[in-house]
Amino acid sequence: DAGVIQSPRHEVTEMGQEVTLRCKPISGHDYLFWYRQTMMRGLELLIYFNNNVPIDDSGMPEDRFSAKMPNASFSTLKIQPSEPRDSAVYFCASSGYDSGGYGYTFGSGTRLTVV
Amino acid sequence: QKEVEQNSGPLSVPEGAIASLNCTYSDRGSQSFFWYRQYSGKSPELIMFIYSNGDKEDGRFTAQLNKASQYVSLLIRDSQPSDSATYLCAVNNPDRGSTLGRLYFGRGTQLTVWP
Repeated sequence: DAGVIQSPRHEVTEMGQEVTLRCKPISGHDYLFWYRQTMMRGLELLIYFNNNVPIDDSGMPEDRFSAKMPNASFSTLKIQPSEPRDSAVYFCASSGYDSGGYGYTFGSGTRLTVV
Repeated sequence: QKEVEQNSGPLSVPEGAIASLNCTYSDRGSQSFFWYRQYSGKSPELIMFIYSNGDKEDGRFTAQLNKASQYVSLLIRDSQPSDSATYLCAVNNPDRGSTLGRLYFGRGTQLTVWP
């Protein structure tokens, strides 16, 4: 398996623009998580899905952030409009019964810079 | 509020020494415990998980769990410069009726192994 695939790896955008991050989880995993990591706040859970259904979105900072999972093999995290304080590394992770005792497998991350 | 606390470090040990990384958690209902390693600029990778009180060994790594004290640790024997990374402790909070669910992460401990 190719692991969790995220795109793009790097994104530089201007304030006010829309940003869409993409994630393909490991096939067969039924949990998908979106995290944001910064030096100041560490790893923050934004939202997670179980069987494509959002379970907990309490970590989504504000209405500018939205996430979808239209099917088991694809999820998006959208920021509209983007702001400089959104600059961070965004990780997608997936989990299932085969993943090391239910631990996560992380994607390589998307480094977002909003200027 | 479910909290996972780690000493931020940095922890610095000489090559060949034992590195000891500690983690405490607040939720007594936690069932599974994970250690992730994150190299600078990379995504977290799972290195150990433990469910039961006591020790679990895997090569140079030993995870120790004490649920009564709400304490989990990671020992790295014969530390190598390649072990230099940030180590994240994570604790599982299962969804109702499920053994899976979100992980709560600590802020991580930065380990440096010097030659």
